[in-house]
Amino acid sequence: GESVGLHLPTLSVQEGDNSIINCAYSNSASDYFIWYKQESGKGPQFIIDIRSNMDKRQGQRVTVLLNKTVKHLSLQIAATQPGDSAVYFCAESAGAGSYQLTFGKGTKLSVIP
Amino acid sequence: DAGITQSPRYKITETGRQVTLMCHQTWSHSYMFWYRQDLGHGLRLIYYSAAADITDKGEVPDGYVVSRSKTENFPLTLESATRSQTSVYFCASSSGTDGYTFGSGTRLTVV
Repeated sequence: GESVGLHLPTLSVQEGDNSIINCAYSNSASDYFIWYKQESGKGPQFIIDIRSNMDKRQGQRVTVLLNKTVKHLSLQIAATQPGDSAVYFCAESAGAGSYQLTFGKGTKLSVIP
Repeated sequence: DAGITQSPRYKITETGRQVTLMCHQTWSHSYMFWYRQDLGHGLRLIYYSAAADITDKGEVPDGYVVSRSKTENFPLTLESATRSQTSVYFCASSSGTDGYTFGSGTRLTVV
């Protein structure tokens, strides 16, 4: 079946460096994508989203890039801080206009002080 | 307080007992979801609801029951708890046009 996956299960980054977390998706009908952050012992927290009519969206220190040609999503975190250490999930809509999301299994980001 | 709240935060129960996990949201979101999160499996959908009195099974519904008599509440009941249901349970809500907002989770241990 179609699913959302991640290229790297773990990522270690030096404090102050930029982080890039990648996600591959397979449902070409998906039109909405989200990145979530989950800190230890907490629920997933919305970071940033992007719709399929865009290829880039920026937030505070975060940027999401969407490449529909190769079905790839990435999250860039600028000047990574210790507080960024968490598991990051990508999620995609189950189909065009669908309210249901499909979640990837997550990438653990560890920031080295 | 506005938001989505889950209770209890932690629960230990014995095999065979019935246990109910509560979820309450204050946004009047139409959609609500229950997930369980286990190492190696990520988030797995148990049940979801599109509106009051409308519920549907997700990926792993066996052993669970839900109800949605009011829009703001979506309790999850384990009718006869088993050790395999030891997990962290997350409730989420959505307006249907944006992403989900998750609760803080309930850590359930079945002994």
